Amino acid sequence: QITLKESGPTLVKPTQTLTLTCTFSGFSLSTIGVGVGWIRQPPGKALEWLALIYWNDDKRYSPSLKSRLTITKDTSKNQVVLTMTNMDPVDTATYYCTHRPSSGWYAHYWGQGTLVTVSS
Amino acid sequence: SYVLTQPPSVSVAPGQTARITCGGNNIGSKSVHWYQQKPGQAPVLVIYDDSDRPSGIPERFSGSNSGNTATLTISRVKAGDEADYYCQVWDSNSDHPWVFGGGTKLTVL
Repeated sequence: QITLKESGPTLVKPTQTLTLTCTFSGFSLSTIGVGVGWIRQPPGKALEWLALIYWNDDKRYSPSLKSRLTITKDTSKNQVVLTMTNMDPVDTATYYCTHRPSSGWYAHYWGQGTLVTVSS
Repeated sequence: SYVLTQPPSVSVAPGQTARITCGGNNIGSKSVHWYQQKPGQAPVLVIYDDSDRPSGIPERFSGSNSGNTATLTISRVKAGDEADYYCQVWDSNSDHPWVFGGGTKLTVL
């Protein structure tokens, strides 16, 4: 059974750096083809893809946010960390951690999401 | 970057068939995936690779993809199908490989 869970602050101030951790179980990020990604959703708005890290440490970022995002993995801990710098109120959203299967270009499993509010 | 266009809303009576479209330039050449999101919940994958259903998804959910339009079809709609639905593709030709549509609110009358 694959599960993912996001953790991190629920409130950050403008200009601060957000660090979110995804802790997962039921699969290994050392399995060929597997990836873990982050997707966010502002309140009442659509899903927005942010970043993805693959089993081989290859990383992909949303071009519009690339300069602010860093994604890393700790395979031994079954964790993926996303950092986003220079947070702004428009970054207020629910942030989801997702599992990308080895044979597909989609998010098969999702975490429950964590709401991050950016406010002073 | 690649753009996916969905109607903001679709309404259907219980027991009828709902069709939610996802438009994109030559989308038929890509694999399309669909997610269902109920209020306050994380999205759930309901269709992948145009027409495959993950385990546990009812056969009432089906998908097709051709030309410039992909379609999610929900047969014999139930009240519990009321949700937001998002299409998604992987665009290998861009720097923004994972693209989502704007979402469609399905209302069961």
